[in-house]
Amino acid sequence: EEQLVQSGAELKKSGESLKISCKASGYTFRTYWIGWVRQMPGKGLEYMGLIYPGDSDARYSPSFQGRVTFSVDRSMDTAYVQWNSLKASDTAKYFCARRSGFHDFDVWGQGTMVVVSS
Amino acid sequence: VVMTQSPATLSVSAGERVTLSCRASQSVNNKLAWYQQKPGQAPRLLIYGASSRATGIPARFSGSGSGTEFILTISSLQSEDFAVYYCQQYSDWPLYSFGQGTKLEIK
Repeated sequence: EEQLVQSGAELKKSGESLKISCKASGYTFRTYWIGWVRQMPGKGLEYMGLIYPGDSDARYSPSFQGRVTFSVDRSMDTAYVQWNSLKASDTAKYFCARRSGFHDFDVWGQGTMVVVSS
Repeated sequence: VVMTQSPATLSVSAGERVTLSCRASQSVNNKLAWYQQKPGQAPRLLIYGASSRATGIPARFSGSGSGTEFILTISSLQSEDFAVYYCQQYSDWPLYSFGQGTKLEIK
């Protein structure tokens, strides 16, 4: 079964760094782009960008460029998103999703809730 | 590309036929997906390519449209269909975007 499993919830303080993960299984990790999507409490889905595990080519939405960094560990079939200095406004649930051959997002992780206190 | 969904909320009864609208600020051809999200869950792909049902999606869900106007139709609403629905364009590489969502609630 094709699956993305994300790391657990995080409680952090403003200014701290954070890296959350998304582990793939059931398919060839390096051949599908992985997207990241933010959902702030009670709000809709916001596209953050994608990364191609095959060569770590990363593309960012302008709203998130410079605020987050995508990376992968091909040996672990895992994608990451990291923040160097969190803000309270980063409080949200973050989803990873696989971009299918048709370019929609067909497999989703369960989400990682990040709470940043000021 | 800005995606605009309407209405924001729709109050409906089980068994009704429902149509949800999604409009793109410029043509996205047929590169349009629909997702369903229930509280506390990840989104689930329903429709891709504007009109193709994803694996395992019941036939009561159908998508139509191209260019800038798209419709998601649920032919006979079931209790498990009460959720939030999002459209997403994947035409503008790599600047994909989602609509703001339409919430289906019980009348």
